[in-house]
Amino acid sequence: DIVMTQAPLSVSVTPGESASISCRSSKSLLHSNGITYVYWYLQKPGKSPQLLIYRMSNLASGVPDRFSGSGSETDFTLKISRVEAEDVGIYYCGQLLENPWTFGGGTKLELK
Amino acid sequence: EVQLVESGGGLVQPGRSMKLSCAASGFTFNNYDMAWVCQAPKKGLEWVATISYDGSSTYYRDSVKGRFTISRDNAKSTLYLQMDSLRSEDTATYYCARHRGFAYWGQGTLVTVSS
Repeated sequence: DIVMTQAPLSVSVTPGESASISCRSSKSLLHSNGITYVYWYLQKPGKSPQLLIYRMSNLASGVPDRFSGSGSETDFTLKISRVEAEDVGIYYCGQLLENPWTFGGGTKLELK
Repeated sequence: EVQLVESGGGLVQPGRSMKLSCAASGFTFNNYDMAWVCQAPKKGLEWVATISYDGSSTYYRDSVKGRFTISRDNAKSTLYLQMDSLRSEDTATYYCARHRGFAYWGQGTLVTVSS
């Protein structure tokens, strides 16, 4: 199974500042078709997860452009510019390259 | 607007069965693979099972193989998860999701396995 490892476990950010969350996969997520199958989700308190970023760097519909995704074959970063109160929650990375599809353990974002 | 609405959760004793349903709307259901993802209390996300758009292929995580069955009724735009031989470690909120990118999720239904 592909293991997804996130860091840090939690991050505390001053509103208006930026935040970065890292995710590392135990195997390359780069498919032979050139697509890197890493995804980012946000689970706000008491809510279902919502897709933020698909295929490493593509912004999902309706997601503010303060969010961006980048990375290589095994190391990925979610950056949130100008953090707002509505960004609070747990962020998960996930790989959709192969079965079983797996997620990282989550990173909790809080406001200072 | 895509909507996924789960139902069927609740309290069940270990070893018993439970069937979850997920009613889909706002998209052409029979064009998409569908999935179940669970989340144990205060824990992370865990993929459970996926079914192809036409029901011809199914995939399961190892811990549920032989106990859970994913199915769908395209005429009713409904996804199902039959859970047999339930264990305490199956206690979780179960979400149905459109498999492609897990781009859409339902609100979840809580399954508690306890005597």
